[in-house]
Amino acid sequence: DAGVTQSPTHLIKTRGQHVTLRCSPISGHKSVSWYQQVLGQGPQFIFQYYEKEERGRGNFPDRFSARQFPNYSSELNVNALLLGDSALYLCASSPGLGLGNTIYFGEGSWLTVV
Amino acid sequence: DAKTTQPTSMDCAEGRAANLPCNHSTISGNEYVYWYRQIHSQGPQYIIHGLKNNETNEMASLIITEDRKSSTLILPHATLRDTAVYYCIVRVADNQGGKLIFGQGTELSVKP
Repeated sequence: DAGVTQSPTHLIKTRGQHVTLRCSPISGHKSVSWYQQVLGQGPQFIFQYYEKEERGRGNFPDRFSARQFPNYSSELNVNALLLGDSALYLCASSPGLGLGNTIYFGEGSWLTVV
Repeated sequence: DAKTTQPTSMDCAEGRAANLPCNHSTISGNEYVYWYRQIHSQGPQYIIHGLKNNETNEMASLIITEDRKSSTLILPHATLRDTAVYYCIVRVADNQGGKLIFGQGTELSVKP
């Protein structure tokens, strides 16, 4: 079975531009979450969605937004890009919200802002 | 903040068991211990998780102390490909769907 898939794998944007990152969860998984990982640090939680509703939001500015579609895929949008937004963006999926539901990560989308 | 503390780095000889410790003294009764690892530039890979009992799968074993204040991840026969950053995470029952809070992890180097 396919794991969590993300696209694009790498992209370069200019300051002030907007970016959309996409994620397809593991088949049957209804929860999708997004994490940001800057170089040298562990991943930081951005959003969690379950059944198309936002269930959690980390400490990120309003320039960051996301949504989940009826097929459970998800998009992360970042507006007005800053140099500091350069990072690996990770999507993860899990069957549900319970603490015993394992979260599986994709390989990430590398975003470079110049 | 992460509820776990781990050594910053560890070395292990190839073919030997790697024992990675983790302290989580403030863990609550319904919170799980999860282990992930991350090889440079890749997404975190799930290894194992547990609540109270010891767990074993094809990758590793997880030993949780009886008071649940610490745990050890055991890779029984480490290979060079096990070189990675290992994260021990207590998954907290919060209003954000039980997000994962990553600390700095343990950088494991497996040497020939």
